[in-house]
Amino acid sequence: GENVEQHPSTLSVQEGDSAVIKCTYSDSASNYFPWYKQELGKGPQLIIDIRSNVGEKKDQRIAVTLNKTAKHFSLHITETQPEDSAVYFCAASIGGSQGNLIFGKGTKLSVKP
Amino acid sequence: KAGVTQTPRYLIKTRGQQVTLSCSPISGHRSVSWYQQTPGQGLQFLFEYFSETQRNKGNFPGRFSGRQFSNSRSEMNVSTLELGDSALYLCASSPQTGVRSPLHFGNGTRLTVT
Repeated sequence: GENVEQHPSTLSVQEGDSAVIKCTYSDSASNYFPWYKQELGKGPQLIIDIRSNVGEKKDQRIAVTLNKTAKHFSLHITETQPEDSAVYFCAASIGGSQGNLIFGKGTKLSVKP
Repeated sequence: KAGVTQTPRYLIKTRGQQVTLSCSPISGHRSVSWYQQTPGQGLQFLFEYFSETQRNKGNFPGRFSGRQFSNSRSEMNVSTLELGDSALYLCASSPQTGVRSPLHFGNGTRLTVT
């Protein structure tokens, strides 16, 4: 079945460093790739998303890249801050339905001051 | 604008019982999706509703069901609870169905089955 693999499962960086999280997906029909940040006791919060007709998207310190040929996409966070510490999830749409997303298992990011 | 509201936040039930969880989407959002989150399986899609119709369904047994009302509010029901149903149940809403607008999640209902 469809699958999204996410690496690494844990990531520890020093404040000010960059963090990169990588995901691969299996469904060739996937055309929407969001990234979510989940803090303790809260639901996932959308931080950035990218559609299949775009190769890269930036929003301040956050960027996402997509390689459709290789079926992988990555999240890049620059100048990390302690408040970036959270669990990050990548996801891919199943076919054309955004309501049905397949999620990666998550990356626990720790930013040390 | 108020976010997605899920009630209750916490529930404790006994095996064999049934439970109903409620979700109020963001005002103006017509699509509601439900996800189950567990440490072992992560986030798994349960179903999506749009205009009171189920549009998509994940790979869960028939004990899991849902519905959507004319005001877009949604409920999900789990019958004959099993220990493995203990999880965080998340509701997400978006203005439309399909890949046009992002999902906004609520803070979830934490269900514990004993």
